[in-house]
Amino acid sequence: GQQVMQIPQYQHVQEGEDFTTYCNSSTTLSNIQWYKQRPGGHPVFLIQLVKSGEVKKQKRLTFQFGEAKKNSSLHITATQTTDVGTYFCAGWSGNQFYFGTGTSLTVIP
Amino acid sequence: DTAVSQTPKYLVTQMGNDKSIKCEQNLGHDTMYWYKQDSKKFLKIMFSYNNKELIINETVPNRFSPKSPDKAHLNLHINSLELGDSAVYFCASSQDIRNNQPQHFGDGTRLSIL
Repeated sequence: GQQVMQIPQYQHVQEGEDFTTYCNSSTTLSNIQWYKQRPGGHPVFLIQLVKSGEVKKQKRLTFQFGEAKKNSSLHITATQTTDVGTYFCAGWSGNQFYFGTGTSLTVIP
Repeated sequence: DTAVSQTPKYLVTQMGNDKSIKCEQNLGHDTMYWYKQDSKKFLKIMFSYNNKELIINETVPNRFSPKSPDKAHLNLHINSLELGDSAVYFCASSQDIRNNQPQHFGDGTRLSIL
């Protein structure tokens, strides 16, 4: 069945280091959304990409949507302790909506 | 004002009991969702309603029954609770059923089955 996998599952970084999470879908997605969930919190929408090859930036965060619309990445430059949390990609494939498996980021001060 | 509110925040109950979780959104959205997040943080969609009509019904035991009395409310009733039902249940809403709408989540209901 449809799967949206993210790697790595966990990542520990020193504050100031960069971080990247990769999202891979087994089928083509019409769009990709990214959410952040702080420990003990709920998922919060960050951004959406729709076009093949699209790149969007939000301050230190860079989001990419693959050419084949089956993969995406989120890159954080110079992590801060406020970046701690689990990052999820999510997307629609036909009438189905899938969340990725998530990447939990720990930032060591 | 909280945009998507769920009650209760915590629910601790015995196996075999029946319980309900309520969700309300004041965003004027047409579409609402229920998700289950397990201990490994995997988020799985359970149901989605658009204007009170069921549109997504994933493979979920029929002990779980959603009810949408109006488009601002989507409640989840669970019969004969089992140990494996322990999880965090999130309600969410989006403006409408078009698939380019961001989803707004409630704070979650942490369900623990003893």
